[in-house]
Amino acid sequence: DTEVTQTPKHLVMGMTNKKSLKCEQHMGHRAMYWYKQKAKKPPELMFVYSYEKLSINESVPSRFSPECPNSSLLNLHLHALQPEDSALYLCASSPGEGRYYGYTFGSGTRLTVV
Amino acid sequence: DAKTTQPTSMDCAEGRAANLPCNHSTISGNEYVYWYRQIHSQGPQYIIHGLKNNETNEMASLIITEDRKSSTLILPHATLRDTAVYYCIVRGDTGRRALTFGSGTRLQVQP
Repeated sequence: DTEVTQTPKHLVMGMTNKKSLKCEQHMGHRAMYWYKQKAKKPPELMFVYSYEKLSINESVPSRFSPECPNSSLLNLHLHALQPEDSALYLCASSPGEGRYYGYTFGSGTRLTVV
Repeated sequence: DAKTTQPTSMDCAEGRAANLPCNHSTISGNEYVYWYRQIHSQGPQYIIHGLKNNETNEMASLIITEDRKSSTLILPHATLRDTAVYYCIVRGDTGRRALTFGSGTRLQVQP
């Protein structure tokens, strides 16, 4: 299995809702990432997990809460989002954090906040 | 990580080679050059990476100049499916410890 699987593919949520995005990989990768991408912009890093521990938080608002329950699974919990949080949320994984490693990306969850 | 400069957009005729340039004049000795692409509404896809030697795989070739201040990604026979945004990224072990995307080059392959 050489894929990163993200679910759901599309999500519409109200500003008072709580929802979660899920990301799964079975390549034995030990680093996992969340990126946010607005339309016509490059992906922006949000969080990095390395060996199931949070390694980098790019000053993301607390309404986004990441979780890494095990080495294959990465979640992003969403609560009280704003319409400007509507974006494509991308998950990626790599064998480790070092510069030698390429990333494998999922196809993303397209989130719309209404 | 060193900053990169890429043209905003390029066109290429189908079947021809697409040569995408990238300038990284401040690159340091231990930094790798990576190329990714993103086809519309999909996640980015790894293409190739290199340190100082030229590299080739089933998707593309990467040519890095001897002084390492610039590189060129070559798609030898572009197809319509190669239409995408191509990102050149320089990565080292200091500074940002994760992949950071610049604006990239939007390649349009014309029939």
